[in-house]
Amino acid sequence: SQTIHQWPATLVQPVGSPLSLECTVEGTSNPNLYWYRQAAGRGLQLLFYSVGIGQISSEVPQNLSASRPQDRQFILSSKKLLLSDSGFYLCACDRAPYGYTFGSGTRLTVV
Amino acid sequence: GDSVTQMEGPVTLSEEAFLTINCTYTATGYPSLFWYVQYPGEGLQLLLKATKADDKGSNKGFEATYRKETTSFHLEKGSVQVSDSAVYFCALDQAGTALIFGKGTTLSVSS
Repeated sequence: SQTIHQWPATLVQPVGSPLSLECTVEGTSNPNLYWYRQAAGRGLQLLFYSVGIGQISSEVPQNLSASRPQDRQFILSSKKLLLSDSGFYLCACDRAPYGYTFGSGTRLTVV
Repeated sequence: GDSVTQMEGPVTLSEEAFLTINCTYTATGYPSLFWYVQYPGEGLQLLLKATKADDKGSNKGFEATYRKETTSFHLEKGSVQVSDSAVYFCALDQAGTALIFGKGTTLSVSS
């Protein structure tokens, strides 16, 4: 079965600082990878998804970016964080026959 | 586009009470439907799923039936426990797209 490792679990960053969240997948190859954000009162919002190395699709225009330098590595970045970037970030992968698997999430607080 | 609508929370129940969390969807095709659960401080876990009309998903005493005629997938449990306190997300998966989530419903069960 597939397993997702996501870190860090919590992060407090000042406004204007950079961000890098990493997600790695074990137990499968060629997965589809996703970044979701859960903001207070807004549910889960799809930010980015990737179907392969170097292939990134953005769902919501914002100051975040994503990269997939390796098949099982998915990175969420920002050059300058905004207060509105605070939230709970979840990485997910999707690969038949396992379906979706989610990481344990990163709670980001921008202060 | 496709969407999922869940009843607003929070839902507060006493132990052994009956639970219903409503979920309706809008989709152009024939999606698979899911309920995910998020326990405090954790990521999402798949609770149950149904892949076609009239299918019933069940797990840990929870049930949901895929109703195409009413475009619904309501979550039910006959007797809730304190340990069921969590956030519950309804989601749909259309082939070739990412999971689409509802906003989530917070359930709080007291003893």
